[in-house]
Amino acid sequence: AQTVTQSQPEMSVQEAETVTLSCTYDTSENNYYLFWYKQPPSRQMILVIRQEAYKQQNATENRFSVNFQKAAKSFSLKISDSQLGDTAMYFCAFMKPYFGNEKLTFGTGTRLTIIP
Amino acid sequence: EADIYQTPRYLVIGTGKKITLECSQTMGHDKMYWYQQDPGMELHLIHYSYGVNSTEKGDLSSESTVSRIRTEHFPLTLESARPSHTSQYLCASTGLPGNTEAFFGQGTRLTVV
Repeated sequence: AQTVTQSQPEMSVQEAETVTLSCTYDTSENNYYLFWYKQPPSRQMILVIRQEAYKQQNATENRFSVNFQKAAKSFSLKISDSQLGDTAMYFCAFMKPYFGNEKLTFGTGTRLTIIP
Repeated sequence: EADIYQTPRYLVIGTGKKITLECSQTMGHDKMYWYQQDPGMELHLIHYSYGVNSTEKGDLSSESTVSRIRTEHFPLTLESARPSHTSQYLCASTGLPGNTEAFFGQGTRLTVV
């Protein structure tokens, strides 16, 4: 079974600064997907960024980028130029993309607060 | 904005009552999921479905049951609610094979008194 670990329950950073959220995972699979999801207070969970394990290039979406280290099974999220709207719970998640078995396994989450 | 809806958003109900949490999506997704989440905590998969008439229990044991009679509808039922069922319930769906993004509803926050 896959496990996802987020070792930082809470983090806070000043607006406009850069913050990195950590995630490690354990799997025996070679092909899989990793995700960062954002859950703002009282709002829907949304996808922030996705990484396919077979791609060596780190995914980037505007101010959000990942550092994917496959051998170390590490998948950190970097948020640059942080904004107040980035305040949320952030969940790292893992998925095996085999047809009929696409279940997301989530980490325990990191509560990120952006300070004005 | 995701086209997946959950009702009710909030529910306070007495012990022993039967409840059904509704989840509907208009994206034609085959796969749907129910997660249980305590406030500020991780998500635990309790049920999933890969299509009509297909339902499976998730990683976390739950006394709830689900049905999938129509593609767009995936309700969750508790026959006899207990205070231990107090939690937030999130419904999600994913699309075609290879399209791995999951879309989530806004959740139902259930309180059993």
